Amino acid sequence: GQQVMQIPQYQHVQEGEDFTTYCNSSTTLSNIQWYKQRPGGHPVFLIQLVKSGEVKKQKRLTFQFGEAKKNSSLHITATQTTDVGTYFCAGVGAGSYQLTFGKGTKLSVIP
Amino acid sequence: DGGITQSPKYLFRKEGQNVTLSCEQNLNHDAMYWYRQDPGQGLRLIYYSQIVNDFQKGDIAEGYSVSREKKESFPLTVTSAQKNPTAFYLCASSVTRGDTDTQYFGPGTRLTVL
Repeated sequence: GQQVMQIPQYQHVQEGEDFTTYCNSSTTLSNIQWYKQRPGGHPVFLIQLVKSGEVKKQKRLTFQFGEAKKNSSLHITATQTTDVGTYFCAGVGAGSYQLTFGKGTKLSVIP
Repeated sequence: DGGITQSPKYLFRKEGQNVTLSCEQNLNHDAMYWYRQDPGQGLRLIYYSQIVNDFQKGDIAEGYSVSREKKESFPLTVTSAQKNPTAFYLCASSVTRGDTDTQYFGPGTRLTVL
């Protein structure tokens, strides 16, 4: 079945440093979604990417979808303590409806 | 994240007992889902329902059962057949089951089986 791999599993950064998490799928995706889960909370939708090579920005967050639609990345510029949490990518395989989640990247920000 | 409620937030049960987790949504969404989350793991799909009176198994359905008698409600029963039921359970809903739909999650129920 479809697998979505996400790295790194954990990332500790000093406040103000940049952060990137990478997501790779074993199959071509029709779209990829990103979610954020704060400590003790539940996942909250951030964004969806659909087009090959698509890049979207939300303030300090930049999301990319690979040309082959098999990988994606989330980059945070100048991290803040409010960025703490676990970031999940979730992909929908081409011709499928099932959303498959990566294991997430847990971000810690040291003030 | 509003509009989906799960109760209770924490639940303790003895081994061998069945337990039902509640999930209610007032978003008028057609599709509802149950996920299980273990520490350091992603979300794994247990069951999903695209419409009332219909539901499908996800990747880890063994030991679980669901019902969808009303659009607003999708309760999950963790049976005694589930070998390792202690986990964080998340319910979600989306407008349809289409591949462009985002999912809205409830606050979750943390189940501990003693």
